[in-house]
Amino acid sequence: DQQVKQNSPSLSVQEGRISILNCDYTNSMFDYFLWYKKYPAEGPTFLISISSIKDKNEDGRFTVFLNKSAKHLSLHIVPSQPGDSAVYFCAAMNNAGNMLTFGGGTRLMVKP
Amino acid sequence: ETGVTQSPTHLIKTRGQQVTLRCSSQSGHNTVSWYQQALGQGPQFIFQYYREEENGRGNFPPRFSGLQFPNYSSELNVNALELDDSALYLCASSPVELNTEAFFGQGTRLTVV
Repeated sequence: DQQVKQNSPSLSVQEGRISILNCDYTNSMFDYFLWYKKYPAEGPTFLISISSIKDKNEDGRFTVFLNKSAKHLSLHIVPSQPGDSAVYFCAAMNNAGNMLTFGGGTRLMVKP
Repeated sequence: ETGVTQSPTHLIKTRGQQVTLRCSSQSGHNTVSWYQQALGQGPQFIFQYYREEENGRGNFPPRFSGLQFPNYSSELNVNALELDDSALYLCASSPVELNTEAFFGQGTRLTVV
């Protein structure tokens, strides 16, 4: 039973446009959410996070939105750049704070 | 400040064998977590060690075991390897037992034949 799902395995966006990556979760006990970016042959790199008490967190070109009632979060990248091309994972933390549950990832391709 | 390093980077083992993967945590980090990432999937939590004690375990059988040493480095041991154990094994370290500041290593690619 997948508790965190990323339903789009891939996304292609033109450079300069907005990229929107989506993530759904089923466990209402999750209270912290994170996005990671992963390049080939590297480990995941932390990108941005959001606590369940907030609905938006912004860091430069990256904004994460959380809709708790819909159990949905999204990552917005604007403007998108070719260097953003990578696999993006959303992850949810359990309330014990010791385990991350990851989605299956979305491969983002930003075309020049 | 050195990051999280894992060794070896690649490994091929035969079904039924045992394997040990190693992880050096980032300086100042006392918590290490291990994840298994199968091809085309997201990482799955195996277990976490905090101050040399297991601090949470995912849905993995007992043949997956671990250790954390006084210098906070860690080992993941897998006994009786199965073909389905073929995956990228990721280690992440964090300064406290919260994963909000987890930093991942580059992973060890294990192939079981």
